[in-house]
Amino acid sequence: GQNIDQPTEMTATEGAIVQINCTYQTSGFNGLFWYQQHAGEAPTFLSYNVLDGLEEKGRFSSFLSRSKGYSYLLLKELQMKDSASYLCAVLDSNYQLIWGAGTKLIIKP
Amino acid sequence: DAEITQSPRHKITETGRQVTLACHQTWNHNNMFWYRQDLGHGLRLIHYSYGVHDTNKGEVSDGYSVSRSNTEDLPLTLESAASSQTSVYFCASSDSYQETQYFGPGTRLLVL
Repeated sequence: GQNIDQPTEMTATEGAIVQINCTYQTSGFNGLFWYQQHAGEAPTFLSYNVLDGLEEKGRFSSFLSRSKGYSYLLLKELQMKDSASYLCAVLDSNYQLIWGAGTKLIIKP
Repeated sequence: DAEITQSPRHKITETGRQVTLACHQTWNHNNMFWYRQDLGHGLRLIHYSYGVHDTNKGEVSDGYSVSRSNTEDLPLTLESAASSQTSVYFCASSDSYQETQYFGPGTRLLVL
């Protein structure tokens, strides 16, 4: 079966750095997405990786290793508004998005 | 600005009733998707469409149907609502297979 694993919950301090990991086992791979979802709101796109390596976008970076079935989202200079759930999703061989259950990130002052 | 909207935003219904959730996008995207989101689960795909008159079943399609008569709309119908269908429903659209999906604001459905 297809599986996406990410931690259920993480806590970090304002101003710090946090890394959210995602491991996947899917039938084929056509890219990996990270979305942010604030409580009660819709998911919003953060990043897309299809090749190995690090993609940087402001305070957020996303890394992919296809051989290891592994990705992480790195958030720097954490702000209170970064408190949200972070969803990892893989586009499989049928171009269907397979979603992880999400990681709830709690930021403390 | 282009957008994707859903209505109603909140709905309470009774077991056995037929319910239709609307989704409308002005992105002119070919692809549209319906998901449900429940605590402890990732987003689960219900139905999707790659163009007008095209519809496909997703992972959790039992008890749901869709139709695509134009580019902008993909209504989701619950044929006979069940308590297990209490959930938050998200509609999404994308331009092509590998493009980012953009989500509507969601509909919270409670089936009593």
